[in-house]
Amino acid sequence: NAGVMQNPRHLVRRRGQEARLRCSPMKGHSHVYWYRQLPEEGLKFMVYLQKENIIDESGMPKERFSAEFPKEGPSILRIQQVVRGDSAAYFCASSGTSGAWEQYFGPGTRLTVT
Amino acid sequence: ELKVEQNPLFLSMQEGKNYTIYCNYSTTSDRLYWYRQDPGKSLESLFVLLSNGAVKQEGRLMASLDTKARLSTLHITAAVHDLSATYFCAPKGGISNFGNEKLTFGTGTRLTIIP
Repeated sequence: NAGVMQNPRHLVRRRGQEARLRCSPMKGHSHVYWYRQLPEEGLKFMVYLQKENIIDESGMPKERFSAEFPKEGPSILRIQQVVRGDSAAYFCASSGTSGAWEQYFGPGTRLTVT
Repeated sequence: ELKVEQNPLFLSMQEGKNYTIYCNYSTTSDRLYWYRQDPGKSLESLFVLLSNGAVKQEGRLMASLDTKARLSTLHITAAVHDLSATYFCAPKGGISNFGNEKLTFGTGTRLTIIP
């Protein structure tokens, strides 16, 4: 039973380029969350999605960032015109629809902006 | 806005000793999670605490939740080197019928066990 999958694991972008991060939830999970972790800090919530819907984007920067979770395929976090401050580890988590609603985390994508 | 404070931020302890990590949060929450993170790795779920007075134990780790005091603790018994990691608490925001809500993470406690 595969866990949460993220790719790429490492991504290097020059300032001004676009970054696309992908997340495939655990089998049977329909809820996806994106978090960002800056070096030596805790995780900060960005966005919570269900299939084809954004439920909570209160942690998402207003500009350059967008997220989607289409009916088919992985969830995508897109960062346009990246800046050095976007360098961080981006983690995706997924949860099911019952029980403790525990969030299971993927391995993360480490984005470096040069 | 929910704020989460963990202390200590750094903890260095000898093998065989006991210690407790504290997690205080600012607004009401009805569930709290503890995670472990090794350097450069993802987060591993340790405990889910769902109600006031909940206590869970796994090996040398025991977690408890006091929702009235807005406090959770992670107790380490007879520490071993393998427990060296960063530990995060994460209460769920607010109380609702929906379990699927964002988590607010503490700053983490970096634990180093010295042989």
